[in-house]
Order: sequence, then structure tokens, then C-alpha cells
Amino acid sequence: EVQLVESGGGLVQPGGSLRLSCAVSGFTFSTYGMGWVRQAPGKGLEWVSVISSSGFATYYADSVKVRFTISRDNSKNTLYLQMNSLRAEDTAVYYCAKARAVGATAPFDSWGQGTLVTVSS
Amino acid sequence: DIQMTQSPSTLSASVGDRVTITCRASQSIRSWLAWYQQKPGKAPKLLIYMASSLESGVPSRFSGSGSGTEFTLTISSLQPDDLATYYCQQYNSYPWTFGQGTKVEIK
Repeated sequence: EVQLVESGGGLVQPGGSLRLSCAVSGFTFSTYGMGWVRQAPGKGLEWVSVISSSGFATYYADSVKVRFTISRDNSKNTLYLQMNSLRAEDTAVYYCAKARAVGATAPFDSWGQGTLVTVSS
Repeated sequence: DIQMTQSPSTLSASVGDRVTITCRASQSIRSWLAWYQQKPGKAPKLLIYMASSLESGVPSRFSGSGSGTEFTLTISSLQPDDLATYYCQQYNSYPWTFGQGTKVEIK
């Protein structure tokens, strides 16, 4: 069974940093692209970032480019999102998600339960 | 960036009704479109990929069609369990983008 479990969310002050983690199991992590999607309270889904299976290719939404960094440790089956210079508008539930196909651009077929990040003073 | 526009934003229908949601892209995305269902308090669930391919385990009452810039998600016979918000997402080019969502209510 595929499982994705996010952690690292919490309350942070504007301008602060936070690192989210996503521990996965139930599939061969190193062969799938992974990503992050967020959802502000009461709002729709916003795509945040994607990383290739090897970790060499990364892509970001304009709203987080330069401030956020996606990475992965294939030896630990873990995905990360380093978030710097956080703003109030970054407040959201952050989901990690798995691409549905190996070695190809693909939408997300498995999702974690989400972790809440609140940016407030 | 490619903008995705869904319509309607909300729809109310009766059990057994045929329901159609439209998603328009600001430029051609060929068939690189997915549909997700999100129930309140839950993570999204992939329903359709490549515009018309049904994800494994998804009921056959869900179907997708379209290519280029115009796409539809159809629920052939609405069920109470289909109460949810539905999102389209393009993965033709980065940054990937979602539509704003369509909330489906049961009359």
C-alpha cells in the first residue's frame, strides 16, 4: 500500500523558515517524480513544485520560486520542501504527492494527508 | 503561465442526474489534463488523466473528454458519494496549474 506522511508544519513568523518532510512507503521511491501542492484555508488547490525521480530536475510555481527548494533523499525514501522568507499568503495545508507514471510527466495519483503551515506574528 | 478556467463554480443536481463540468485552458495543452475529486477535509483523488483515461478503481460513471483548450468531466448518474469539489489540472508545461474548482452539491 502506498503511503505518504508529511511532517514539519506549524506556526512560523513572517520572514521565517520551515522544512517539510514527506516519508513514503509502498513503492520504489527512486523511480517516481514527486511534488508538493498547497491549499490555503477555504481556497482551491495550488501547484507548488515538482522534482524528477533522480532529483536533478526541479520546477516551481512563480509564487514560491527562489524562496522554496524541493529536494529528495532516495536512500531515505523522503521528499523535502525547504521554505524560506515565508509570507502570510504561504499559509496553507501542504500536500506531498506521487506522480502516477515512472519516468514521464504525469499527474499525482497518491497524496499524503497534508500538513498545515501557518505564517503569522 | 497557462490559465485554467472551470465552469460552473458551483452546481446543484439531483441523484441520478447527468452532470458536466467544463475546463478551458488559455492555450493548447494537447491532452495533458487531469481531473481530481476532493471531498471535505480530505486529500484530492485522481479521477482522470490524459484528458480521458479513467484512473484505476474510479467508478465508470466518471468520464473525461476534450483536447487542445476545452475539456469536460461528466458524471453520468450523480450519486450521493459524489458530493465534492472537482479540479482540473494541466501538466503540459511548467508551471503546472489547477482550475479554481467546481463544487458539486446534491439537491
